[in-house]
Amino acid sequence: DSGVTQTPKHLITATGQRVTLRCSPRSGDLSVYWYQQSLDQGLQFLIQYYNGEERAKGNILERFSAQQFPDLHSELNLSSLELGDSALYFCASSPSGLAGTGELFFGEGSRLTVL
Amino acid sequence: GDSVTQMEGPVTLSEEAFLTINCTYTATGYPSLFWYVQYPGEGLQLLLKATKADDKGSNKGFEATYRKETTSFHLEKGSVQVSDSAVYFCALSDRGDMRFGAGTRLTVKP
Repeated sequence: DSGVTQTPKHLITATGQRVTLRCSPRSGDLSVYWYQQSLDQGLQFLIQYYNGEERAKGNILERFSAQQFPDLHSELNLSSLELGDSALYFCASSPSGLAGTGELFFGEGSRLTVL
Repeated sequence: GDSVTQMEGPVTLSEEAFLTINCTYTATGYPSLFWYVQYPGEGLQLLLKATKADDKGSNKGFEATYRKETTSFHLEKGSVQVSDSAVYFCALSDRGDMRFGAGTRLTVKP
């Protein structure tokens, strides 16, 4: 158990809909990272937050948004969903804002299926 | 931008065979390098890391050496076990975030 909690574990929805994925980082970790894992794209970095502020942005679509709340949990919002958004979405956390200083701790992921 | 390229899989080996998974990187600075492993149905977990050139990371019989001259961080294990079957990801971190390779699926048969 990494200590990172993601909900929901599975989600099935229709095209055009909006969903919210939630992540609770390890106790004491200030950084949260979001990744998308799909069969054809591998593990894609979406966005990082550190202590409530956006720290780095990767290949995140404009239809997607995220935030980190004062209690440090984070939410990833996916809107106007398309079939191609079907993927496993991982959240990871780390104590500092610099991933290279240590390791990332990953949750078990939220599997999104868009029909 | 910074990126990681690793050998495509899948890789299938017999138990006790030697394993090499190639990984090369592109970075403008001096990144830290990592190997993560993902077992079926689980999230990624750190396998080993190296933070500067010529460092060797090792864990559970796996090793990788940070080679600046060849911009590589190849993963090796002398004798694989069935329990090593998983997806292996090479990753780098330079400016705070972490970028992963596409992953290499390893299957070890008894």
